[in-house]
Amino acid sequence: AQSVTQLDSHVSVSEGTPVLLRCNYSSSYSPSLFWYVQYPNQGLQLLLKYTSAATLVKGINGFEAEFKKSETSFHLTKPSAHMSDAAEYFCVVLAYYGNNRLAFGKGNQVVVIP
Amino acid sequence: DAGITQSPRHKVTETGTPVTLRCHQTENHRYMYWYRQDPGHGLRLIHYSYGVKDTDKGEVSDGYSVSRSKTEDFLLTLESATSSQTSVYFCAISENSGGSTDTQYFGPGTRLTVL
Repeated sequence: AQSVTQLDSHVSVSEGTPVLLRCNYSSSYSPSLFWYVQYPNQGLQLLLKYTSAATLVKGINGFEAEFKKSETSFHLTKPSAHMSDAAEYFCVVLAYYGNNRLAFGKGNQVVVIP
Repeated sequence: DAGITQSPRHKVTETGTPVTLRCHQTENHRYMYWYRQDPGHGLRLIHYSYGVKDTDKGEVSDGYSVSRSKTEDFLLTLESATSSQTSVYFCAISENSGGSTDTQYFGPGTRLTVL
């Protein structure tokens, strides 16, 4: 089974500074990877996904992530944090082909400091 | 936004009572999923369905059952609710047959409290 690891359950960033959320995965085959965002009291929304096309993936709201096979990483970045980026972010890997089951990381709660 | 609704959105119940949560989609997607979200655990899969009357267990299925009699509806039942089932429950859907490009779309969630 595939899995993901997200360290730093809580991340504080100052408004206007870069955001970096780290994700490492384990996979026995070429993975499909996703980042989802969850705003308070809402469901999850897809930020971006990697499915073996370009290794640098651009998503919504100015976020992007780079797939690095040698490092088994899929870190999420944004050049300049905005107050509206305060949310929880989940790194997700497709766990099993054939039924689209996902494995979620434990999440990064991002706080943006004015 | 994907057409997914969940009902009820909030529910408080007592230990030992049965509870049914409903997920309804208007997308005609084949796959439907039930997750629970608990602090420090991310989302964990309870059950999923790959078609009408076709369901399978996820990683935390004990104490839960599901049914899917129509493409658009996926029901999650707690036969006898326990306090450990207090959680936020999310339904998700995906269109395809498990291909690597599939994306899951999530509903707004149901907050369940078992006293």
